[in-house]
Amino acid sequence: KNEVEQSPQNLTAQEGEFITINCSYSVGISALHWLQQHPGGGIVSLFMLSSGKKKHGRLIATINIQEKHSSLHITASHPRDSAVYICAAVSGGGADGLTFGKGTHLIIQP
Amino acid sequence: GAGVSQSPRYKVAKRGQDVALRCDPISGHVSLFWYQQALGQGPEFLTYFQNEAQLDKSGLPSDRFFAERPEGSVSTLKIQRTQQEDSAVYLCASGVFSGTVFPGANVLTFGAGSRLTVL
Repeated sequence: KNEVEQSPQNLTAQEGEFITINCSYSVGISALHWLQQHPGGGIVSLFMLSSGKKKHGRLIATINIQEKHSSLHITASHPRDSAVYICAAVSGGGADGLTFGKGTHLIIQP
Repeated sequence: GAGVSQSPRYKVAKRGQDVALRCDPISGHVSLFWYQQALGQGPEFLTYFQNEAQLDKSGLPSDRFFAERPEGSVSTLKIQRTQQEDSAVYLCASGVFSGTVFPGANVLTFGAGSRLTVL
């Protein structure tokens, strides 16, 4: 079974700071999702990536398949970025093939 | 609809009551998943449908949990004789296969979840 670890568990930062959230997994995967969950809200898929780097607005996701590690970066962070960020590894086991991390609770203070 | 719709958004039940949670997936999405998310945890897989067929129910925690998708669209997750440990957010997600080998390569769209509190 794939073990997915995220760090940090909680992160509080000031508006404008560069944010990095890390995700590591124990078993080789075919892809990895980064998901965003606002309080009381559902989950929104930010990225699915299997190699290299993807960018969408102020969000950047990178993955190193050999090192079994992915990072989510937020540039010029804003209070509306406050949310729980979850990585989910796609490893083919089970119907959905997904193993979720516990999430990183991010708070951006104005 | 434009997204995955779940209802009710919030449900408070007394211990022992039965509850039913509904998921309206994106029209045409073949796959439908149910997840349970306890406070401070990531989602845990419950069950999976491909059209109306329930292909995997290995994540259902007990026989008090039952899910159906009789016409291959709307799905209902039913919990009988609720217990306090059933308190969680129940997430539904639907998806289409992306064409790769692993089913996990679905691009999933999640609903907002149904928050169940059992008193």
